[in-house]
Parts: sequence; C-alpha cells; structure tokens
Amino acid sequence: EIVLTQSPGTLSLSPGERATLSCRASQSVSSSYLAWYQQKPGQAPRLLIYGASTRATGIPDRFSGSGSGTDFTLTISRLEPEDFAVYYCQQYGSSSYTFGQGTKLEIK
Amino acid sequence: EVQLVQSGAEVKRPGESLRISCEGSGYSFTNYWIAWVRQMPGKGLEWMGIIYPGDSNTKYSPSFQGQVTISADKFISTAYLQWSSLKASDTAMYYCARSRDAYTVGIAFDIWGQGTMVTVSS
Repeated sequence: EIVLTQSPGTLSLSPGERATLSCRASQSVSSSYLAWYQQKPGQAPRLLIYGASTRATGIPDRFSGSGSGTDFTLTISRLEPEDFAVYYCQQYGSSSYTFGQGTKLEIK
Repeated sequence: EVQLVQSGAEVKRPGESLRISCEGSGYSFTNYWIAWVRQMPGKGLEWMGIIYPGDSNTKYSPSFQGQVTISADKFISTAYLQWSSLKASDTAMYYCARSRDAYTVGIAFDIWGQGTMVTVSS
C-alpha cells in the first residue's frame, strides 16, 4: 500500500500570503491518480485538483497543483479567508486508494 | 443537479447490524464508481472500498476487507455500506463519493454525499 505523508501538519499564515502544502508518497504515483481535497469543519470534502495539476470545476485559479513521481505540491497563491481549512492529498494505485493525514491551514 | 444523498444518522449498540445508503441523482448512476470513506472523530479520511453499480464490481481496502460489505442496487440508484456486527470503534462519519469520470476508477472523487454519522455505544 502506498503511504502518503503530508507536511507540514499545521500551517499558520495570514490572508494574502502564499501557502505551499507538500504530499510525499512512499513509492511512485501516477500523476493521473493524484488529487487534492479541501475540508471545512462540518462539511464533506471538496475536490480541488485531480491529475496532480488540473483544477476541478469551479475551483479558483489561486489553487494550483504540481509534482510527479513521489513529490507533489498544492499551492494557494494568495490566501482568502475562506481557504483556511484542512487539505488532503489522495492517490490511487494497485486497486487501492490512500489519503494523506492532512494539513491544517490556520489563520495566523 | 448531480448529487449523492445519504441516509440519516444512526445510533446503535455493539453487536448490532446496520446498513446505510447513498442515493445518486442527476447522472447515470450505473456508469460511475461509488466509494465509501470513513472519518473517525477528529481524524482524517480513510478509503474503505469502491463499487461499480453497473456490474457490482467491488474493491476493498485491505483495512476494511471482511469488516464491511459494499453493495449497490442500480435499479434504484443506491449504494450501500453494511456491517453485520458493529463495534464501538466503528463510530465515525461515513461519506459516499462518486468517481469523477464515467467507467474509470482512480480519477478522484468529485461529488460527495453529506455524510452519515454512525454512533456505536452501549
């Protein structure tokens, strides 16, 4: 099973700043099968990025994804107040999905 | 509108059985994989398994194989997650989610149900 490790565990930033979230895989992941989600308290997760770098429908262009192999990044160019949430990466491989443990993005 | 609507919250005793549901609408339910995801209180997301309603092809996470059963009734556009004997450790929010692309597994989950909270307590 591929293990995804997200860092940092918690990221404290201010609105307007740039956020960089990391997702590292224990073995190589196909970029087609790497996704990022946002989850706010009391809500279901929301798909942000799929295929490592493609924004899902309705996702603002301040969100971007990059990476390949074992290292992937979610970048939020200028934080808006509504962006403070928990972010998860997810991969699919060998007939199994796994999620990272999440990065909490909090207001500084 | 494409949506998944899950059944309501459940409170059960240890050892009881349970089936929760996830009804899809606004799209061709038969053609899109449906996954189940667990979120224990204050914790992260865990993939449990996935089913293709068209032919009931099912894949399970090794962590959940034998612990739950995933099924679907394509004629009423509904997927199910069931337990034969609940444990206190099954207390969690359970989400169903749709695979983004028709026919294809692996390409992320774009539509999520609202979640079903299951509480198991004596």
